[in-house]
Amino acid sequence: GENVEQHPSTLSVQEGDSAVIKCTYSDSASNYFPWYKQELGKRPQLIIDIRSNVGEKKDQRIAVTLNKTAKHFSLHITETQPEDSAVYFCAASSPAGGTSYGKLTFGQGTILTVHP
Amino acid sequence: GAGVSQSPSNKVTEKGKDVELRCDPISGHTALYWYRQSLGQGLEFLIYFQGNSAPDKSGLPSDRFSAERTGGSVSTLTIQRTQQEDSAVYLCASSFRERNTEAFFGQGTRLTVV
Repeated sequence: GENVEQHPSTLSVQEGDSAVIKCTYSDSASNYFPWYKQELGKRPQLIIDIRSNVGEKKDQRIAVTLNKTAKHFSLHITETQPEDSAVYFCAASSPAGGTSYGKLTFGQGTILTVHP
Repeated sequence: GAGVSQSPSNKVTEKGKDVELRCDPISGHTALYWYRQSLGQGLEFLIYFQGNSAPDKSGLPSDRFSAERTGGSVSTLTIQRTQQEDSAVYLCASSFRERNTEAFFGQGTRLTVV
């Protein structure tokens, strides 16, 4: 099955700096890659996602890049703010049974701390 | 419409007792996941219900854990003979599998075994 590795496990930055979180996946057929943010005591929520036919996607201060050849994708947060402090999870959807969809497999998570 | 709903929000149980955790997914969602999250840890996959196909039970940590999904909707996670190490937040998520889109999470059930 799919295996998703996420790095780093913890990341500490100063307010205003950029933060980058990287994930690698094992199944070359994986075609959907969402990123989730989980604030303390709350449920994970989608912040951005990308499909395998796209190399990059941006939404204000966050962006995701995908390198299908290398089987890795990254989350980029620019101009970080204290409210960006949270746990971030990447995930990959690997198709099964001859379909174009499948199970989501999550990375281990990155604890991001933005210092004022 | 309503999101994913889990009940109870909190559950305190004595070691050795059985517990049932409930998940009401978003209506029409064909995929349903259960995860366990210990304090400060990641999402530990437990089980995945994939429409009418056989569930993926590869993440269940022991035979004390079981889950069912009735009528393709509500799911119940049962933990028998609870142990202190079962204490964690249990999260449920659902998605419209055939659209290959995001999974929506419930607020979780915080289980404490004393």
